[in-house]
Amino acid sequence: DIQVTQSPSSVSASVGDRVTITCQASQDITNWLAWYQHKPGEAPKLLIYTASTLHGGVPSRFSGSGSGTDFTLTISSLQPEDAATYYCQQVNSFPHSFGQGTKLEIK
Amino acid sequence: QVHLVESGGGVVQPGGSLRLSCAASGFTFNTFAMHWVRQAPGKGLEWVAFLGHDGINKYYADAVKGRFSISRDISKNMLYLEMKSLRAEDSAVYYCAKQYHWNSLDYWGQGALVTVSS
Repeated sequence: DIQVTQSPSSVSASVGDRVTITCQASQDITNWLAWYQHKPGEAPKLLIYTASTLHGGVPSRFSGSGSGTDFTLTISSLQPEDAATYYCQQVNSFPHSFGQGTKLEIK
Repeated sequence: QVHLVESGGGVVQPGGSLRLSCAASGFTFNTFAMHWVRQAPGKGLEWVAFLGHDGINKYYADAVKGRFSISRDISKNMLYLEMKSLRAEDSAVYYCAKQYHWNSLDYWGQGALVTVSS
């Protein structure tokens, strides 16, 4: 099975800051990676698929990069509504494992 | 628009059984793969099960293999998760989700809470 390691587990940043979250797969998954945003009491939302393709309706301040084993989610200018937990998920092979999550707080 | 609505959650004793349902609408149900994902209290998301668009291919997380079964009824646009031999560690909010491009999940339900406790 492919393990996915996400870091940091939590981050606190100010409005307007640039925030980066990383995800590392235990083996090469080319670009079979998705990123999700999850707020308490809500359904998770797809942000990015194929590592760098922005899902429809997602603000352009979100971007994804990487291939192989190392991936990054970047929020270029943090907004108050971005407070949430973010997850990466490898979708290369079953089981489609998630990272541990990164809780993003706004200072 | 796409809607996924889970039902069937509740409190069940260890060793018991429960069937979750997911009512799908707004898309051609029998042409998309579907997944179940869960989140235990205070924990992260955990992938649980997959059903291919053909209704035949199925995959399960090791933690539920042999105890859970995913299925669908295309005449009712319903996805199911049959859960048996439930354990305390199966307590979680269970989400159904629709597969999108490149195996990502573009629509999720609001979740159904399952509590396994005596």
